[in-house]
Amino acid sequence: KQEVTQIPAALSVPEGENLVLNCSFTDSAIYNLQWFRQDPGKGLTSLLLIQSSQREQTSGRLNASLDKSSGRSTLYIAASQPGDSATYLCAVVTQGGSEKLVFGKGTKLTVNP
Amino acid sequence: DAGVIQSPRHEVTEMGQEVTLRCKPISGHNSLFWYRQTMMRGLELLIYFNNNVPIDDSGMPEDRFSAKMPNASFSTLKIQPSEPRDSAVYFCASRVDRGNTGELFFGEGSRLTVL
Repeated sequence: KQEVTQIPAALSVPEGENLVLNCSFTDSAIYNLQWFRQDPGKGLTSLLLIQSSQREQTSGRLNASLDKSSGRSTLYIAASQPGDSATYLCAVVTQGGSEKLVFGKGTKLTVNP
Repeated sequence: DAGVIQSPRHEVTEMGQEVTLRCKPISGHNSLFWYRQTMMRGLELLIYFNNNVPIDDSGMPEDRFSAKMPNASFSTLKIQPSEPRDSAVYFCASRVDRGNTGELFFGEGSRLTVL
């Protein structure tokens, strides 16, 4: 059974800092991995989707990498801003079963002005 | 595109009442998911439809929960009778699955409180 873990559960950084959020998964046979952002009281907003054949994806100040063999992904946020404060979740779609996403519990990021 | 549309956004009801949550997926998306989110358990998949057919309902808690997708543009999640432990935010999400598994898009959620 696929399990997704995100460490740390919470992170607080000063504005302007570059930071890395971590995601690990137990079954490396995945179709893809997706990073989401969730603001309080809101739905999830898709940030980046990495297919299993890719190693990274970039969007603006965000860069996500994927290492399937080690079961890890990182989300790099450059020059963090207070508006980046949110909970970040990663999710994977595993091969060999129904094509559902399994989510981690997220990392709550606070960027202090 | 308007995105995934859910209604109602908030629902407060009493134990034992029937609750119906509604979802309109993004036009052209052929897979639809219902998730439940609580502080204790995070995001849990309840049921997943592909081309209007339920594919995986292993997450549906018990017989009190049922979901339907009568056509490609509408789905409902029904709880009857509701219980306080059903209080949560219920999300609907949709994506395109043709060959590759696509990017998943979420609605704003329906916050359910059962008293």
